[in-house]
Amino acid sequence: LAKTTQPISMDSYEGQEVNITCSHNNIATNDYITWYQQFPSQGPRFIIQGYKTKVTNEVASLFIPADRKSSTLSLPRVSLSDTAVYYCLVGESTNAGKSTFGDGTTLTVKP
Amino acid sequence: NAGVTQTPKFQVLKTGQSMTLQCAQDMNHNSMYWYRQDPGMGLRLIYYSASEGTTDKGEVPNGYNVSRLNKREFSLRLESAAPSQTSVYFCASTSAATLLVYNEQFFGPGTRLTVL
Repeated sequence: LAKTTQPISMDSYEGQEVNITCSHNNIATNDYITWYQQFPSQGPRFIIQGYKTKVTNEVASLFIPADRKSSTLSLPRVSLSDTAVYYCLVGESTNAGKSTFGDGTTLTVKP
Repeated sequence: NAGVTQTPKFQVLKTGQSMTLQCAQDMNHNSMYWYRQDPGMGLRLIYYSASEGTTDKGEVPNGYNVSRLNKREFSLRLESAAPSQTSVYFCASTSAATLLVYNEQFFGPGTRLTVL
């Protein structure tokens, strides 16, 4: 399984754009990159997923360079409610979809 | 749809006691997972079931057993609980992934287990 490395914590202010980078040097050809968000006392929730280049949805953007050894989750104009732990996963494209969660990045948004 | 449900929400056990954590999903998903999350840490995969009738070990399977009762239900059993198993346990499910397509996991609300 591809191991991921993320910053332990980040601080930001309301209205700013936040970029969280994840390193996954041994990503396999069939692996996808997925980001989850977790609030205290809740299970993780899917944010965005990608294979290469850029993916955008209503919540975030995901940037993946050509070598796919890293990825960046971009949250536009964060609010206090975006304070959470963000996990980067690199997953197998098999029926099991088994992935490894790292320790995540704790994002704190301040007023 | 209820999504993924887990019972119980909270449980306190004494060392050596046994218990089963229940998980059910109503999304017709093929794959189901059990994770544990220790304070301040990420999730670690205990066991998973790629499809009904199959189970496989994850990163930290020691001290646990699982049963994929049917397509909807996946239970986790602690035969002889130890304080090191104090954690929050999450169940998740995902639909079957076709080649080169990875599907998101849907998580339950978790079971907070304390072993004294």
